[in-house]
Amino acid sequence: AQKITQTQPGMFVQEKEAVTLDCTYDTSDPSYGLFWYKQPSSGEMIFLIYQGSYDQQNATEGRYSLNFQKARKSANLVISASQLGDSAMYFCAMREGGGGTSYGKLTFGQGTILTVHP
Amino acid sequence: DTGVSQDPRHKITKRGQNVTFRCDPISEHNRLYWYRQTLGQGPEFLTYFQNEAQLEKSRLLSDRFSAERPKGSFSTLEIQRTEQGDSAMYLCASSGAAGEETQYFGPGTRLLVL
Repeated sequence: AQKITQTQPGMFVQEKEAVTLDCTYDTSDPSYGLFWYKQPSSGEMIFLIYQGSYDQQNATEGRYSLNFQKARKSANLVISASQLGDSAMYFCAMREGGGGTSYGKLTFGQGTILTVHP
Repeated sequence: DTGVSQDPRHKITKRGQNVTFRCDPISEHNRLYWYRQTLGQGPEFLTYFQNEAQLEKSRLLSDRFSAERPKGSFSTLEIQRTEQGDSAMYLCASSGAAGEETQYFGPGTRLLVL
């Protein structure tokens, strides 16, 4: 079974509008972390936002917020006020196990290509 | 504060040749990871170092692959007798101690095996 599922191969959004990128995950570990990364065409993976499984509040970082629904095992990324520079591939990733004891390897989804139109 | 660096950025080689990639992590980070990413896919974990100790290896890391981190600073990934299926982006990431888990990635090394 896929541990991280991103069902949207591609998404389009108008500049200045908000967009939601979907991510569902599968784990039986009570302690885990969820990450979103952006990968522009240059190839570098850029960290955007992190949500821990025990965090009570949804994570926010500037224009990025993570809509964490633990019971549904979903961790959707919301980008507000889209900009042309947001056009890129976006990956959802999970780290299973507590940070103090696990080795921290990430499992990635297939990614969603976001295109922002002017 | 410099980020993770990787060298070379691009490598073209012929099948059967050996290649070596280098990763320099963020200076205070003791955890270092290697991932491989093929076209249209998400990165896949290859191996993990904590300081100089290689603590985990994926089954993706065949006998032709070897990774080292001799002094707990930079790391190298060597592929022997390259095959066309080794063509991919090789990404290195580093993170700090437990509790500071975010992995920061380098720009990657893009390998093409002809």
